[in-house]
Amino acid sequence: ETGVTQTPRHLVMGMTNKKSLKCEQHLGHNAMYWYKQSAKKPLELMFVYNFKEQTENNSVPSRFSPECPNSSHLFLHLHTLQPEDSALYLCASSQERGRGTEAFFGQGTRLTVV
Amino acid sequence: GENVEQHPSTLSVQEGDSAVIKCTYSDSASNYFPWYKQELGKGPQLIIDIRSNVGEKKDQRIAVTLNKTAKHFSLHITETQPEDSAVYFCAASSYGANSKLTFGKGITLSVRP
Repeated sequence: ETGVTQTPRHLVMGMTNKKSLKCEQHLGHNAMYWYKQSAKKPLELMFVYNFKEQTENNSVPSRFSPECPNSSHLFLHLHTLQPEDSALYLCASSQERGRGTEAFFGQGTRLTVV
Repeated sequence: GENVEQHPSTLSVQEGDSAVIKCTYSDSASNYFPWYKQELGKGPQLIIDIRSNVGEKKDQRIAVTLNKTAKHFSLHITETQPEDSAVYFCAASSYGANSKLTFGKGITLSVRP
């Protein structure tokens, strides 16, 4: 248990569905991140929020939409996904972006797009 | 931007032997180098990290070394155990408002009992 909780753990969705991934941290951190993990590839940073402000959008397609209502919660809204979007989506948090401090990861949501 | 290379991609060792995983990075501004372990069905978990003002750091059976001149850092695991079997990721980042962790592709370590 790292203090970062992701739900759901597994999700299967059709290409026309809309779904949301949820991430919650109880570590008092101010930075939260979404990463995509695909087989045989490095972790890909998608979005960064620092003190609830989005500070990074790493050229992510608009079918992925993040939301950070407060420093403890982070959502990833999914809409009209493609099969190649199937991957493990990881949420992480750290004390503050740019401080070179440890990032704590959740267990991820395994997403399958059919 | 930063580029982190990790070698080899797989490593198999006999229980009790040592394992060494190497990473190189490209950005001389990078000064924070964490190592993560990811077990099946779990997210990555930090096992050790090192900052650029230190050349080596140890924590029980694991150690990390950093060579800033050559831009490479290595993870050393001694007296390996089957529970050390996992995927290991190295990463690098600098400080600053726009900094971000850049990860290597990961190495699958298998410890044979």
